[in-house]
Amino acid sequence: EVQLVESGGGLVQPGGSLRLSCAASGFTFNNYSMSWVRQAPGKGLEWVSYISSTSSTIYYADSVKGRFTISRDNAKNSMYLQINSLRAEDTAVYYCAAVQVWNYYFDYWGQGTLVTVSS
Amino acid sequence: QTVVTQEPSFSVSPGGTVTLTCGLSSGSVSPIYYPSWYQQTPGQAPRTLIYSTNTRSSGVPDRFSGSILGNKAALTITGAQADDESDYYCVLYISSGIWVFGGGTKLTVL
Repeated sequence: EVQLVESGGGLVQPGGSLRLSCAASGFTFNNYSMSWVRQAPGKGLEWVSYISSTSSTIYYADSVKGRFTISRDNAKNSMYLQINSLRAEDTAVYYCAAVQVWNYYFDYWGQGTLVTVSS
Repeated sequence: QTVVTQEPSFSVSPGGTVTLTCGLSSGSVSPIYYPSWYQQTPGQAPRTLIYSTNTRSSGVPDRFSGSILGNKAALTITGAQADDESDYYCVLYISSGIWVFGGGTKLTVL
């Protein structure tokens, strides 16, 4: 069974940092590119970042560029998102998703981890 | 700034057919954008329905279908059921490693 399990969310003050993790199982993780997608409370989905299977290619949405850093460790079947300089507008559920690169879609999804930025 | 447009809300009667659309603020949606569709119920993760315009994801009932209608991508639900009441999101692959989601359509079945 495919599983993506996010962790690391929580309440953080503006300007603070968090590191989100995504643990994968049930599929060949190092064959997949991965992405983070977030959803602010009551709002729609927003693509955040992408990392290729070998970490050679990385992209970010303009809204997070310079503050977020995506990475992965194929030996641990895990992906990470380092979030710095957090703002109130970063408050969201953060989902990790496995990307099918030959058809450019999100194949598997985790259940998400909530990040709340508030003083 | 690329904006992907969707109807904010739609309603359909049980057993009826509904078509949700996904457009671009400037330009036409075509298969080169690899449109995909996701279903999400409150408090749940998205579920992949359709990818590459019209290919159903594994386990998705054939009452869900995707297409290009005019200058938009479309998701058609034929024979709507009560548990199809959800939010539906399309996403377009805009360029290398960049995706843009539409704002989502809240579908009511009543």
